[in-house]
Amino acid sequence: QSALTQPASVSGSPGQSITISCTGTSSDVGGYNFVSWYQHHPGKAPKLLIYDVYKRPSGVSNRFSASKSGNTASLTISGLQADDEADYYCSSYTGSSTLVFGGGTKLTVL
Amino acid sequence: QVQLVQSGAAVTKPGASLRVSCKTSGYTFTNYGFSWVRQAPGQGLQWVGWISAYNGNTNYALSFQGRVTMTTDTSTNTAYLELRSPRADDTAVYYCARAPSPAAAVGPADYWGQGTLVTVSS
Repeated sequence: QSALTQPASVSGSPGQSITISCTGTSSDVGGYNFVSWYQHHPGKAPKLLIYDVYKRPSGVSNRFSASKSGNTASLTISGLQADDEADYYCSSYTGSSTLVFGGGTKLTVL
Repeated sequence: QVQLVQSGAAVTKPGASLRVSCKTSGYTFTNYGFSWVRQAPGQGLQWVGWISAYNGNTNYALSFQGRVTMTTDTSTNTAYLELRSPRADDTAVYYCARAPSPAAAVGPADYWGQGTLVTVSS
C-alpha cells in the first residue's frame, strides 16, 4: 500500500489560511469516507484533528476544516497561529482493511 | 480520563525480538481496538497494524506481515506489539493509539500513547 501524497511543506503568515492536500486512489481516499487528519508536534503524540473526512472531535478549534473531492482530501487551517507550526498527516481506510498515512506536510508559520 | 501509557525506551539487537506494551485506563477496553503506528528518524508516520481488543482479530500492513504480532490482555487492559527479527531500519518511535471500532481497522485514532523509542543496534 503506497503512502498517500501530501506536499512536503507549506507556509503562511499569522492570520492567513493554508490548505494541505492529500491525494490517494479510488481504493482509499476516493473509495471511503474514512479520511482523518493529525497534527504532530515533534516529540509529542499525534493529535486527531479531523475524522470521517470533515468531522471535528470535541475540543478541536473550528479553525481546522476539511473536505474531499474524488481521490483528494484537503485540510484547511484558517487564522494561522504560531502554535499551528507542526507536521500534518492525513490517513485513510483502504479496501484491504488497512490504514495508510500520507507522507506528511511540514507547516511553517512565517 | 482516557490514558494510554507505553513502556520505556528500549535497545534491541538485530535478529532478536522487540516488544512494546501499552497499558490503558479510563474506558472499557474491549469496546475498542488499537492501531500501532511508527515513525522512523526523519520519516513520516507509518501504520503497522490493528488489533481488536474485543476478539483479538488483527490486520497488519503488508510490509510487516510475518514479522509482527499484536496481542491484548483483557485482565490488565494492555496491548502489546512484538516485532521479530528487527533490523536497523526498524529503529523508530512506536505509538499505540486507540481505534474506535472493535470490529475493523476503520476509524480515527483518537487517543495516543506517548511513544516508545526502540533502537535496533548491535
